[in-house]
Amino acid sequence: SYVLTQPPSVSVAPGRTAKVTCEGTNFAGKNVHWYQQKPGLAPVLVLYDNSDRPSRISERFSGFNSGNTASLIISRVEAGDEADYYCQVWFSKSDCVFGVGTKVTVL
Amino acid sequence: EVQFVESGGGLVQPGESLTVSCLASTLSFSSFNMHWIRQAPGKGLEWVSYISGSGKTIYYAESVKGRFTVSRDDAKSSLYLQMNNLHNDDTATYYCAYSFTSGSFYFGGQGTLVTVSS
Repeated sequence: SYVLTQPPSVSVAPGRTAKVTCEGTNFAGKNVHWYQQKPGLAPVLVLYDNSDRPSRISERFSGFNSGNTASLIISRVEAGDEADYYCQVWFSKSDCVFGVGTKVTVL
Repeated sequence: EVQFVESGGGLVQPGESLTVSCLASTLSFSSFNMHWIRQAPGKGLEWVSYISGSGKTIYYAESVKGRFTVSRDDAKSSLYLQMNNLHNDDTATYYCAYSFTSGSFYFGGQGTLVTVSS
């Protein structure tokens, strides 16, 4: 089965930029989606199709997919951005894979 | 914005059955392709099942195939997941979500906790 690898944690100072990576094989032509999850709450979609933002999601969230690595970029990090972040890819119609998650800590 | 209310979770013993439900706050529920996604305590997310808006296309993760059955009742704006022969590792919060676009998910609810333990 497919595996999406994410760093367990990323620490960033307020106002700086955080980068969360998602590595996998066979990414070519596939869309990567990103979710933010705060403790006790359901996940929230923050990026879809590699780099598009749903309405109500801050423009500080951006992303790109460079082949075997996708990245979520959080610019001008705020305390409220502290959360777990998950990437997600469909490898077939019945094979949807989430990354293991990255805990973003705001120092 | 669509909201979901998941319900039906609880404590069951291994081998038992349970059905969880998801009530949507929309009269256009039949147009939504729906999923169940679960999260074990302290762990990551796992996709479980998909059902199309028509109900004609259904997929399951390998880990639940043959044990779980997804269904929907559009007249009640509701989604269901019947879970049979539950295992300890089925313990998780179960979320319903709809296909937002190109395979991404909109969650919209708080989930329901299923605990499988003897």
